Amino acid sequence: EVQLVESGGGLVKPGESLTLSCEGSGIIISSNSVNWVRQAPGKGPEWVSTISSRSSFIYYADSVRGRFTISRDNAKNSVYLHMNSLTAEDTAVYYCARDHSRSAYMDVWGKGTTVTVSS
Amino acid sequence: QSALTQPASVSGSPGQSVTISCTGTSADVGAFNYVSWYQQYPGKVPKLMIYDVNNRPSGVSIRFSGSKSGNTASLTISGLQPEDEADYYCSSYTSSNTYYIFGPGTRVTVL
Repeated sequence: EVQLVESGGGLVKPGESLTLSCEGSGIIISSNSVNWVRQAPGKGPEWVSTISSRSSFIYYADSVRGRFTISRDNAKNSVYLHMNSLTAEDTAVYYCARDHSRSAYMDVWGKGTTVTVSS
Repeated sequence: QSALTQPASVSGSPGQSVTISCTGTSADVGAFNYVSWYQQYPGKVPKLMIYDVNNRPSGVSIRFSGSKSGNTASLTISGLQPEDEADYYCSSYTSSNTYYIFGPGTRVTVL
């Protein structure tokens, strides 16, 4: 089955850090840009970050710029999101989603991993 | 606050058509044909329904169609069915200092 698998979510305290992983299973993502999208409880999706296939281009939402770092290891078919200085506003389900190689839309999504920031 | 604007809810009876609007700016919806639409059921992963304004992925019903005029994109669901009751989000590539933006979502209710 073609899928993306996220891991690394959990319960952390405000100010702490966490790293999420996204691995392609049955799918090679090294040729595609990959995104992180989060969805807070009861809210719509919020785009968080994008990394191009060779890490040449990286983008962040204003809400996470300076605190989150996206990276990838194509040899491991994986993308990562390192999150620092977490606050309650970062509590959400975090999805990784593959960008279509010839356009700008997210065609394959993982099932998500939950991040809860609470004291 | 989302950069794209959608109505909070739309409703229709089975068999009717409903249209959801998604209004952006000349930096996103108006500038690029990179508007996509996602369907989401509660607790589920968003599902791609329309990409590049008016293209359907394989497996998506032909009852779903997309269009764009100026800074506003639209998703139309024809022949409304009970299983269409869900939240729908538009998204666009943007030339601003980010990459993608989403709308706040529209709840479709089948009466």
